[in-house]
Amino acid sequence: DQQVKQNSPSLSVQEGRISILNCDYTNSMFDYFLWYKKYPAEGPTFLISISSIKDKNEDGRFTVFLNKSAKHLSLHIVPSQPGDSAVYFCAASANDYKLSFGAGTTVTVRA
Amino acid sequence: SQTIHQWPATLVQPVGSPLSLECTVEGTSNPNLYWYRQAAGRGLQLLFYSVGIGQISSEVPQNLSASRPQDRQFILSSKKLLLSDSGFYLCAWSVGTGRYFGPGTRLTVT
Repeated sequence: DQQVKQNSPSLSVQEGRISILNCDYTNSMFDYFLWYKKYPAEGPTFLISISSIKDKNEDGRFTVFLNKSAKHLSLHIVPSQPGDSAVYFCAASANDYKLSFGAGTTVTVRA
Repeated sequence: SQTIHQWPATLVQPVGSPLSLECTVEGTSNPNLYWYRQAAGRGLQLLFYSVGIGQISSEVPQNLSASRPQDRQFILSSKKLLLSDSGFYLCAWSVGTGRYFGPGTRLTVT
């Protein structure tokens, strides 16, 4: 049962432009959302998170938006840089030990 | 600061052979520990989690098992590997909701 879905397996964007990654979830009990970045052959690293009491969280070039009514969140990267090329995972938690992950979106930033 | 170690980094094992992957965490006490698997083209699947020594919860039925002999040590094992066990195995720890992942082990079962 895939409770967190990233429907775009890949995204290609030109350097300097905005990258927008989308994530949908089905469990209305989720109240904390995270984005992870993963390079090949490495473990994922935490990028940014947002609590359900907020609808936006910003950290440098990264902004996460949460639309609870639509059960949708997105990650914006502005401006995109070559080092941003990686797989991005969306994750959600219902305040327990389980963190549900999406299948990931592979971002390629073109020079 | 906290660090998490996993070994080996890569492993090639024949079908039917045993498996032992080890994970240790430094710089924190009584962490929650997790084993995840990332199969090719798929997301991160939670296999096991542990909230304390000797306490293991399994998320999916499989031929894998986990043990936590010490507070900061988590071991993933199998008595007989299957081809479908191939994947990238990640250990993680948490204090709270977030997860901090280790470098991973690439397992190829041949």
